[in-house]
Amino acid sequence: AQSVTQLDSQVPVFEEAPVELRCNYSSSVSVYLFWYVQYPNQGLQLLLKYLSGSTLVKGINGFEAEFNKSQTSFHLRKPSVHISDTAEYFCAVTEGGYQKVTFGTGTKLQVIP
Amino acid sequence: DGGITQSPKYLFRKEGQNVTLSCEQNLNHDAMYWYRQDPGQGLRLIYYSQIVNDFQKGDIAEGYSVSREKKESFPLTVTSAQKNPTAFYLCASSEGQVTNQPQHFGDGTRLSIL
Repeated sequence: AQSVTQLDSQVPVFEEAPVELRCNYSSSVSVYLFWYVQYPNQGLQLLLKYLSGSTLVKGINGFEAEFNKSQTSFHLRKPSVHISDTAEYFCAVTEGGYQKVTFGTGTKLQVIP
Repeated sequence: DGGITQSPKYLFRKEGQNVTLSCEQNLNHDAMYWYRQDPGQGLRLIYYSQIVNDFQKGDIAEGYSVSREKKESFPLTVTSAQKNPTAFYLCASSEGQVTNQPQHFGDGTRLSIL
């Protein structure tokens, strides 16, 4: 069965500093990977997705993620964060052939002015 | 603009009462989902539906029921059998039955016990 681990529940970072939010998954088959962002009292919005091809995926708001099959990771990065990036970020995975999505427990990014 | 509308935004339930959360989408998506979100637990799947008049239980279906009579509507009923219903409920949809499609989310309903 697939699972997703986001080890960091909270990540504080100063404005304009780089950030990496970690995501590891467990699956024995091919996977599709997603990062979503959730602002307070709102639903989730898609940041980026990895389906196939290039392992470096670029998304909205300057975020990017790198798929590493050998380490079963899909870490999210941004070279310079802004106050507006303060939100909760969720990593998600689906396995080929299955409709069900598994979400991680989320990482709260707090950008400090 | 196309999207998912959840209503109400806030809902209060009395003991022993059933309440229904509304979810409507105008994205022409086949698949729809209900998730429950609790602090520190991420999203947990309650029910999902891939086509009209068909739905499947997710990981935490006990105490909940759904219907899918129309493609655009997927209401969730929280029954009195759900002993701990206080949570943030999210509805989502995706195109077809293809697993590589992202999900689109509504803005949620926050349910509390009176």
